[in-house]
Amino acid sequence: DAGVIQSPRHEVTEMGQEVTLRCKPISGHNSLFWYRQTMMRGLELLIYFNNNVPIDDSGMPEDRFSAKMPNASFSTLKIQPSEPRDSAVYFCASGGGTTDTQYFGPGTRLTVL
Amino acid sequence: GNSVTQMEGPVTLSEEAFLTINCTYTATGYPSLFWYVQYPGEGLQLLLKATKADDKGSNKGFEATYRKETTSFHLEKGSVQVSDSAVYFCALQEGGYSTLTFGKGTMLLVSP
Repeated sequence: DAGVIQSPRHEVTEMGQEVTLRCKPISGHNSLFWYRQTMMRGLELLIYFNNNVPIDDSGMPEDRFSAKMPNASFSTLKIQPSEPRDSAVYFCASGGGTTDTQYFGPGTRLTVL
Repeated sequence: GNSVTQMEGPVTLSEEAFLTINCTYTATGYPSLFWYVQYPGEGLQLLLKATKADDKGSNKGFEATYRKETTSFHLEKGSVQVSDSAVYFCALQEGGYSTLTFGKGTMLLVSP
């Protein structure tokens, strides 16, 4: 199995631009998690889906952030408009099905100038 | 609510030294406990886990024992290597397949 796939691996954009991060979970997993990691705040859960349905989005910072999971093999995290304070590494993780373990992708390093 | 507290880093050791990274937790029920490791530039990887009291998780020479009486899950390794340099995260999960609550992470630096 290829593991959790995230794209792009690096994204540099200017303030005000729209940013879309993508995630392909491990086949057979029915839960998907989006995290943000910064030096100041550590690892924060933004949102998680179960069977493609958002279960808890209380960690989404504000309305500029949105996440979708149109099917079991794809999810997006969108920031519109982006701001410099959104600069962080964004991780996607998947789990569930036959495992209680979360498997993390390699992350997307976002820099907003 | 649930929380995980880890010792602050960085922890700096020489190769072959003994490692302990402390982790304590607060939970309302009976959580599963995890240690994840993050190598530079990579995502988190599961290192080991324990699902009930007195269970010992082990992997790659690392061990941790689920101690309910002290609400702890300390990570240990008898002889660290330079390649163990990474950030280590303790985490708990209540109820199968639910979200993880992570500690802030502890950086380990091992010098030759």
